Amino acid sequence: SQTIHQWPATLVQPVGSPLSLECTVEGTSNPNLYWYRQAAGRGLQLLFYSVGIGQISSEVPQNLSASRPQDRQFILSSKKLLLSDSGFYLCAWSIGGFGETQYFGPGTRLLVL
Amino acid sequence: AQSVAQPEDQVNVAEGNPLTVKCTYSVSGNPYLFWYVQYPNRGLQFLLKYITGDNLVKGSYGFEAEFNKSQTSFHLKKPSALVSDSALYFCAVREASNTGKLIFGQGTTLQVKP
Repeated sequence: SQTIHQWPATLVQPVGSPLSLECTVEGTSNPNLYWYRQAAGRGLQLLFYSVGIGQISSEVPQNLSASRPQDRQFILSSKKLLLSDSGFYLCAWSIGGFGETQYFGPGTRLLVL
Repeated sequence: AQSVAQPEDQVNVAEGNPLTVKCTYSVSGNPYLFWYVQYPNRGLQFLLKYITGDNLVKGSYGFEAEFNKSQTSFHLKKPSALVSDSALYFCAVREASNTGKLIFGQGTTLQVKP
């Protein structure tokens, strides 16, 4: 069966510091991968998605970037964090054709102080 | 542009009563609709989806959803609510592209009281 991992689970970082969040998927090959941010426990904002190694699409111009160095690894990064980067970051994967389901990881809670 | 609306920020139900969480959508073409549930400080869990076929879709934990094309709705239902059903519920529609991107509603908090 497939599983998705995210780490760290929680992170407190000062403004201006770098960021690296990691997401890995097990038990599948060539998944579509997604990074979402959830602010204030409500709506989800799609940040990045990837359909293959090295292929990254950005949904919202911002302080963050994403990379996919391996088939089942998706990394969210920043060179300098802003206060507004605080939130709950969720990684998701899907596979298959139309109507495929996205499955979410446990999330990373980021607090920028 | 495709969109999803969840008109209620919060739904309050007594335990044992039926519950409904509302969702309406706007899409071009055939809709692919999803419901997810989120417990505090957790990721989203998939409940059910509608792709095609029977308008009544059954999912996890006794939940079901009714697809209504004429009303462009996909309401989530459960015949008898449990206190443990209290959570944040999201409706989503799949974007008409090859990327599988989902467009989410703003979420509805379900509060089930004993």
